[in-house]
Amino acid sequence: KAGVTQTPRYLIKTRGQQVTLSCSPISGHRSVSWYQQTPGQGLQFLFEYFSETQRNKGNFPGRFSGRQFSNSRSEMNVSTLELGDSALYLCASSLVGQNNYGYTFGSGTRLTVV
Amino acid sequence: LAKTTQPISMDSYEGQEVNITCSHNNIATNDYITWYQQFPSQGPRFIIQGYKTKVTNEVASLFIPADRKSSTLSLPRVSLSDTAVYYCLVGPANAGKSTFGDGTTLTVKP
Repeated sequence: KAGVTQTPRYLIKTRGQQVTLSCSPISGHRSVSWYQQTPGQGLQFLFEYFSETQRNKGNFPGRFSGRQFSNSRSEMNVSTLELGDSALYLCASSLVGQNNYGYTFGSGTRLTVV
Repeated sequence: LAKTTQPISMDSYEGQEVNITCSHNNIATNDYITWYQQFPSQGPRFIIQGYKTKVTNEVASLFIPADRKSSTLSLPRVSLSDTAVYYCLVGPANAGKSTFGDGTTLTVKP
């Protein structure tokens, strides 16, 4: 079956711009989580969506936002980009229920802010 | 979520068994222990998950003592392709918010 698909794979943006990243979860997975990974901070949780509702949120400024659609696809948006937002953004999806076996991650979107 | 502590790095040779231990003293009753593997510029990949005692799948084993304050990921007969960062996570099985620690960088040498 198809895995978690993130688009685009690479992105270069200028400071002050905004960006939207997309994530298509595994079919049937209703939970989608987003993570930011940088060499200095490691993997940091951004937020989680389940059934179109944000269920958990990490410690990121309001410039980072997301949403989930009725087909479980999710987008995250970063406004007013800063150089420090350069990172690998990872999306993960999961079945939620009694037999949950962890999260399946996509390959990520590499965002470079110049 | 429970904080985890892992060794920063480990070295091994091809064909050896590798054991990576994770400490999680504050694990809660409903917490599961999950291990992920990550290669550079890729997302983490689920390896194994357990609650207590021993769990084994086709790639690894997970040993959890009775007090559950630690766990050990065992990789049998590692190869060069097992060189990666390994993360131990502790939390509810269906939690969307997972706290990744610094992970253990495993380097397998020929």
